[in-house]
Amino acid sequence: DAKTTQPNSMESNEEEPVHLPCNHSTISGTDYIHWYRQLPSQGPEYVIHGLTSNVNNRMASLAIAEDRKSSTLILHRATLRDAAVYYCILRLLYGGSQGNLIFGKGTKLSVKP
Amino acid sequence: NAGVMQNPRHLVRRRGQEARLRCSPMKGHSHVYWYRQLPEEGLKFMVYLQKENIIDESGMPKERFSAEFPKEGPSILRIQQVVRGDSAAYFCASSPQAVGETQYFGPGTRLLVL
Repeated sequence: DAKTTQPNSMESNEEEPVHLPCNHSTISGTDYIHWYRQLPSQGPEYVIHGLTSNVNNRMASLAIAEDRKSSTLILHRATLRDAAVYYCILRLLYGGSQGNLIFGKGTKLSVKP
Repeated sequence: NAGVMQNPRHLVRRRGQEARLRCSPMKGHSHVYWYRQLPEEGLKFMVYLQKENIIDESGMPKERFSAEFPKEGPSILRIQQVVRGDSAAYFCASSPQAVGETQYFGPGTRLLVL
């Protein structure tokens, strides 16, 4: 799987938007961009994923650069419950037997009241 | 629809004992993954199983660790003769199919080896 680069940490104020960047300059044409997050003392949870077009769901939005070498996870209004480590992960659509996720260090998001 | 269930949530073992961690995937999911998270580190893949088959065990330590996913019942991660370095959070995830599918994680089992 191609490598991703994320800032180690970010801070946000409650109820303000948060933009979490991810660089993936070696992404291949068949890599999907997935985001998971891990709240303190919990297992990771899926947030969103996309291939080329921007994506929206109830949790967040994913903005993908035209060249796909970077993407940004957008939390429209951060809440205290959004404080977590956010992981940007590339996954092959058709990867044979390689089903596992490869987690990097992620970005630790702190949300201030 | 119940999520992925893991038990026990906390497990304390003395060095040399055996640890058995259980994972019940979401209903309808036949693919199970185990990950380990050492203190202050990211998650590392250990093993990927389908019913009665180990598909990928490239992340499993060569000795003392084994995993199974029988036709009936939960997936089991077994650690024999535990050492202090095995202390970690062990997470199980499941998916309906393997490649490209969203994985749903359980709450984890926190193993402490004294």
